[in-house]
Amino acid sequence: GENVEQHPSTLSVQEGDSAVIKCTYSDSASNYFPWYKQELGKGPQLIIDIRSNVGEKKDQRIAVTLNKTAKHFSLHITETQPEDSAVYFCAASPAGRGADGLTFGKGTHLIIQP
Amino acid sequence: DVKVTQSSRYLVKRTGEKVFLECVQDMDHENMFWYRQDPGLGLRLIYFSYDVKMKEKGDIPEGYSVSREKKERFSLILESASTNQTSMYLCASSANRWEQYFGPGTRLTVT
Repeated sequence: GENVEQHPSTLSVQEGDSAVIKCTYSDSASNYFPWYKQELGKGPQLIIDIRSNVGEKKDQRIAVTLNKTAKHFSLHITETQPEDSAVYFCAASPAGRGADGLTFGKGTHLIIQP
Repeated sequence: DVKVTQSSRYLVKRTGEKVFLECVQDMDHENMFWYRQDPGLGLRLIYFSYDVKMKEKGDIPEGYSVSREKKERFSLILESASTNQTSMYLCASSANRWEQYFGPGTRLTVT
């Protein structure tokens, strides 16, 4: 089955700097890669996703890049703000499956230092 | 906004009790999911449902069952709670089988 590895487990950056979280996956058939943000006491929230026919996707300060050859994808947050502090999860799902096929990474705790 | 509500934020039960966790969504989504979240393990899928009265096993269904009698409600049942089922339980719904909206979670402690 699919295996998703996420690094780092904790990331501390100064407010205003950029943050990058990386994930690798094992199943070359995976073609859907969402990123979720989980704030303290809340459920995960989908912040951005990408499909394997696209190499990069941006939404304001957030971007995701995908390298299918290397089987890795990354979340980039620019101009970080205190409200970006949260746990971020990546996930991957193979072709032919929906969200029921998602395998999640173990999460990255992003800390924005004032 | 999509709203997914879960019946309890915190629940404490004894070993052997039958436990019901309720989830309700208000956006007429056909697809609903139950996950458990444990430190260092991420999210793991227990059961999902793509239609009323339909249910499918996820990755870790052992010790759990589900019920979906109405489109908006998806219940997770622990037939006989055990201490290894102490966890955070998250419900999600989706209109298109992809973009999931999660509830706030129920932190269950089994003593």
